[in-house]
Amino acid sequence: GAVVSQHPSRVICKSGTSVKIECRSLDFQATTMFWYRQFPKQSLMLMATSNEGSKATYEQGVEKDKFLINHASLTLSTLTVTSAHPEDSSFYICSARVGTVLSNQPQHFGDGTRLSIL
Amino acid sequence: GQQVMQIPQYQHVQEGEDFTTYCNSSTTLSNIQWYKQRPGGHPVFLIQLVKSGEVKKQKRLTFQFGEAKKNSSLHITATQTTDVGTYFCAGKGGDSGAGSYQLTFGKGTKLSVIP
Repeated sequence: GAVVSQHPSRVICKSGTSVKIECRSLDFQATTMFWYRQFPKQSLMLMATSNEGSKATYEQGVEKDKFLINHASLTLSTLTVTSAHPEDSSFYICSARVGTVLSNQPQHFGDGTRLSIL
Repeated sequence: GQQVMQIPQYQHVQEGEDFTTYCNSSTTLSNIQWYKQRPGGHPVFLIQLVKSGEVKKQKRLTFQFGEAKKNSSLHITATQTTDVGTYFCAGKGGDSGAGSYQLTFGKGTKLSVIP
């Protein structure tokens, strides 16, 4: 149980393109979803936290107009990287969890999306 | 803000040797979680510790939460090649401030096991 599906797994596109990444919880309802960015040989850097039906909470230094997050249902959250540039190239990974932001439930991670901007 | 430091960054062991990774927080934690990320994979939840001084075991893995709830460790006895991966600790703030709901990940310890 607790499967999180993330698509696409890999994207290569030109600079200036907007890229949408989907994160779905397949067998549970995810009240809270998280978006992380992971640099090579680095840890997971939290970008934003989203709760279904409300605006995402962005971490300091993350541009909300650059990284648009939508959490329209209990099973789907999307991250759109708008007008992507080479410095946005990274591994983006989502996770989903049951419960509110105060919940102690574990996070279940998607397989991640490798984004390469040329 | 809350910082979670994890050491060592890398560990190479001979198969059969033991392995330990340590996690230290700059603030008191309400709980700590451990995740394992296999090469090319995504982090997978291993365990959560909540109580001061708590010790939990999963087969060859032993997890400890410090008395002050600011540090934790993961110990693997007699490592196997299947233990290869990066082990992350993730701590949740213990106060009522802004960090109380955030899960802050350590940088991880990458374990290599030489057969």
